[in-house]
Amino acid sequence: EAQVTQNPRYLITVTGKKLTVTCSQNMNHEYMSWYRQDPGLGLRQIYYSMNVEVTDKGDVPEGYKVSRKEKRNFPLILESPSPNQTSLYFCASSSGLNQPQHFGDGTRLSIL
Amino acid sequence: AQSVTQLGSHVSVSEGALVLLRCNYSSSVPPYLFWYVQYPNQGLQLLLKYTSAATLVKGINGFEAEFKKSETSFHLTKPSAHMSDAAEYFCAVSESDSWGKLQFGAGTQVVVTP
Repeated sequence: EAQVTQNPRYLITVTGKKLTVTCSQNMNHEYMSWYRQDPGLGLRQIYYSMNVEVTDKGDVPEGYKVSRKEKRNFPLILESPSPNQTSLYFCASSSGLNQPQHFGDGTRLSIL
Repeated sequence: AQSVTQLGSHVSVSEGALVLLRCNYSSSVPPYLFWYVQYPNQGLQLLLKYTSAATLVKGINGFEAEFKKSETSFHLTKPSAHMSDAAEYFCAVSESDSWGKLQFGAGTQVVVTP
């Protein structure tokens, strides 16, 4: 089954404690992206990747890092999380530029 | 630069009535336009997409959207609402030269009443 898998689904942690949210897709997609969803703001793009070792900033990259060492994986790293990063995060992948994106089920992060 | 505006954060429709969700965009180059649906506690699913092949686009679950360049709009409609249509709907735009940047609207929550 084609899918995008995010882990963990839920996480409560404290300010400053580094965390990583993993994202993996099994569709051999070149394009992957991270979004955060906040009430009233829709989804905002954090980072995206066009292929292995190719990443670029989205609209809200501050406080986040990503890496794309393998085609299937695109982890999101919060080096020093802060409460304003409490949000619902989605990873997505697609087969190419401007193609429909397949979304994971989301990761709800709470930073205390 | 691209942007997306969805009019109405909440819409309530009666079962069997027309569903109309409005989306306006701004784009300096030909856009790619999408509608996604999000059911509770799930990720987003594609409803339909516009990629310049036809102005009227049919999607899944009986939804369709019409691209109107003169109005910079891409409104989503469904002739007859079903209880299962209760969800949040997002319009999104990507410019043909945007190299992967996708801009979402703020979303419209649809409530269907019996």
